[in-house]
Amino acid sequence: GAGVSQTPSNKVTEKGKYVELRCDPISGHTALYWYRQSLGQGPEFLIYFQGTGAADDSGLPNDRFFAVRPEGSVSTLKIQRTERGDSAVYLCASSLATGGAGGYTFGSGTRLTVV
Amino acid sequence: QKEVEQNSGPLSVPEGAIASLNCTYSDRGSQSFFWYRQYSGKSPELIMSIYSNGDKEDGRFTAQLNKASQYVSLLIRDSQPSDSATYLCAVEDSSYKLIFGSGTRLLVRP
Repeated sequence: GAGVSQTPSNKVTEKGKYVELRCDPISGHTALYWYRQSLGQGPEFLIYFQGTGAADDSGLPNDRFFAVRPEGSVSTLKIQRTERGDSAVYLCASSLATGGAGGYTFGSGTRLTVV
Repeated sequence: QKEVEQNSGPLSVPEGAIASLNCTYSDRGSQSFFWYRQYSGKSPELIMSIYSNGDKEDGRFTAQLNKASQYVSLLIRDSQPSDSATYLCAVEDSSYKLIFGSGTRLLVRP
């Protein structure tokens, strides 16, 4: 597609529920990144993929968070047993190659609210 | 812990003035630096990248890099009200991911 697409744009869930957030990167972009942004803060790194494999998952806060990219294109961020502290905007970005060379293109984000 | 530091602002400048935004970083091995603009409720948008010491100009924007001082800045000339946004500094770390600062909010007064 022309840009990075994220769905849903908004998600409200109850504490303890499971959620999946989807990211469809720009066609041909091999690197895909997940960030989380809380109000008044910059994006916080979660995980990035080079192709199908997770190249760096050091930002995942705990084992409730998991992400996959099985065919090297679309990625899904999965959060189990959601907590109110998980409420944030989840941003996905993609780039042509590893790292920021040329910069990332961000999607419009998924605003997750855990009530 | 790799850090990217920015003054949160707000930085308020009159229309037509030069806005100067600053950023320091802790990872001395960083080689790539970026400025993103983020309007309220929107996602970050890349406006400048810089890889070498010195200045890089693109229209009304100039990025400045000083690796010895671990300092990056963004100058916006002839500031317009439409430039009012949060500006995020981002630094690529040794594992090729971007580390973002918390952003500086810029207000351009008409």
